[in-house]
Amino acid sequence: GAGVSQTPSNKVTEKGKYVELRCDPISGHTALYWYRQSLGQGPEFLIYFQGTGAADDSGLPNDRFFAVRPEGSVSTLKIQRTERGDSAVYLCASSLRASGISNTGELFFGEGSRLTVL
Amino acid sequence: SQKIEQNSEALNIQEGKTATLTCNYTNYSPAYLQWYRQDPGRGPVFLLLIRENEKEKRKERLKVTFDTTLKQSLFHITASQPADSATYLCALLKTGTASKLTFGTGTRLQVTL
Repeated sequence: GAGVSQTPSNKVTEKGKYVELRCDPISGHTALYWYRQSLGQGPEFLIYFQGTGAADDSGLPNDRFFAVRPEGSVSTLKIQRTERGDSAVYLCASSLRASGISNTGELFFGEGSRLTVL
Repeated sequence: SQKIEQNSEALNIQEGKTATLTCNYTNYSPAYLQWYRQDPGRGPVFLLLIRENEKEKRKERLKVTFDTTLKQSLFHITASQPADSATYLCALLKTGTASKLTFGTGTRLQVTL
């Protein structure tokens, strides 16, 4: 597609439920990122994929959070046993190559998936 | 601890004036710094990048400066318009790390007629 696509745009769930959020990056972009943004805050890094592998998952808050990118394109962020504190907008971004000092690393963001845990 | 600070208070300016937003950082050695624009309910959109060895970068009505001694970047919008009203985020890539952009909290700009 023309841009990064995220689904669902809104998800309301109950505490303790399992949630999956999907990201379809720009075609040909090898790098994919997940960020989480709470109200009034900047995006907070969660995980970065280069191709199929998670190159940096240091931002995942705990083991309830997991992300996959099995074919190097679409990625799914999975949250188990959701808690009210997980409520936020989950942003996905992609870039042609990984950010680094040798290239601009401009990130293209999707519109986000707003997760509300009741 | 490492911090990226942007003024959390909204900046209100009159149309036609120059808006200046500040990004300060501590305990970072950024390889480069990026600025993004974010509208309500939307994802951030990339505007400009400036590298650690660059002092200034311009793009149309936008200008970014980078002072690694002061550990500060300034983002200027000249001849501001109501359509420039949005939240502006700065983001840093640390030297020696790959791919992990760290964002500030953003500053909301409101341009009035």
